[in-house]
Amino acid sequence: KNEVEQSPQNLTAQEGEFITINCSYSVGISALHWLQQHPGGGIVSLFMLSSGKKKHGRLIATINIQEKHSSLHITASHPRDSAVYICAVNGAGSYQLTFGKGTKLSVIP
Amino acid sequence: EAGVAQSPRYKIIEKRQSVAFWCNPISGHATLYWYQQILGQGPKLLIQFQNNGVVDDSQLPKDRFSAERLKGVDSTLKIQPAKLEDSAVYLCASSLVVGEGDEQFFGPGTRLTVL
Repeated sequence: KNEVEQSPQNLTAQEGEFITINCSYSVGISALHWLQQHPGGGIVSLFMLSSGKKKHGRLIATINIQEKHSSLHITASHPRDSAVYICAVNGAGSYQLTFGKGTKLSVIP
Repeated sequence: EAGVAQSPRYKIIEKRQSVAFWCNPISGHATLYWYQQILGQGPKLLIQFQNNGVVDDSQLPKDRFSAERLKGVDSTLKIQPAKLEDSAVYLCASSLVVGEGDEQFFGPGTRLTVL
């Protein structure tokens, strides 16, 4: 069974700061997802990646398959980025998602 | 394109009462998932449907939880009777097909409080 660990658990940043959230997993995967969850519960998919790097606006996601590690970066952070960011993986040959516990980000004006 | 719809958004009940949640997936999505997310934890899969058939319900507490997806579209999740530890956000998600790395689209969730 895959174990997904995220760090840090909580993160407070000043507006404009560069933010990094890390995710590591224990066994091989077919895909890794970064999700955003705002207060109230709804989840939005940010990225799905299996290699390399993806960029969308101020968000960048990278993955290192050999090291079983992924990072989510937010450039020029803004208070509206405040949310819980969740890393989830599909195990190799599996359709099921295994979720991390999430990183709670608070961006202060 | 309309997203995944869920109702109600919030529900407060007393323990031993019954409750039901409804989910309408994105049109054309064959696969539907119900997750339970306890505060401070990641979502946990309760049940997965492919059209109107159950693919995986290994983590569904079947003594009190039940789910159905009649006609392969809408789905309902029921808890009867509820316990205090059932307090959580219940998330519904759908994907176009089942397969490795399929993107799942999540609904807004139903926040259940059991008193």
